Amino acid sequence: AQTVTQSQPEMSVQEAETVTLSCTYDTSESNYYLFWYKQPPSRQMILVIRQEAYKQQNATENRFSVNFQKAAKSFSLKISDSQLGDTAMYFCAFMKPYGGSQGNLIFGKGTKLSVKP
Amino acid sequence: NAGVTQTPKFRVLKTGQSMTLLCAQDMNHEYMYWYRQDPGMGLRLIHYSVGEGTTAKGEVPDGYNVSRLKKQNFLLGLESAAPSQTSVYFCASSLSPGQGPYEQYFGPGTRLTVT
Repeated sequence: AQTVTQSQPEMSVQEAETVTLSCTYDTSESNYYLFWYKQPPSRQMILVIRQEAYKQQNATENRFSVNFQKAAKSFSLKISDSQLGDTAMYFCAFMKPYGGSQGNLIFGKGTKLSVKP
Repeated sequence: NAGVTQTPKFRVLKTGQSMTLLCAQDMNHEYMYWYRQDPGMGLRLIHYSVGEGTTAKGEVPDGYNVSRLKKQNFLLGLESAAPSQTSVYFCASSLSPGQGPYEQYFGPGTRLTVT
């Protein structure tokens, strides 16, 4: 069974600085997807970034980028130029696209990020 | 497009009562999911459906039942509510994995309290 671990329950960062959130996972699959979802105080789950395991290039979306280390089973999220609106819970998630339980997301427990002015 | 909607947004139940949560999506997605979110636990999958008329158990299915009679709707039922089912419930939908960039779209959540 796959597991996702987020070892930082809470983090804080000053506005305009850079912060990195950690995620590790365990799987025997070779083809899978990894995601970072954001959950602001409104409770809405919002996709931040997606990484396909077969792609060696790290995904980037504006100020958000990942460091995907497949051999180490590590998937960290870097937020550059942090903004007050980045304050939220961040969840790392794993999905395998084929086989049993295909499409199901397995979430980590989350990291609560606070951006301070 | 409304995306994924959930009804109701809040509900308080007494132990032993029953209720149904409704999820609706207007994106013609095949896959639909029900999750629960508890403090410090992240989201955990209750049941899911890969198409109209099909359902399957997720990680924490006990005490819940689901039905997918129409493609756009996914219902979650609690037959006899227990305090342990106090949680925030999220519905999500997606295309089939492998049909391009994969993403689950989430509803706004339902906060359920069982007293």
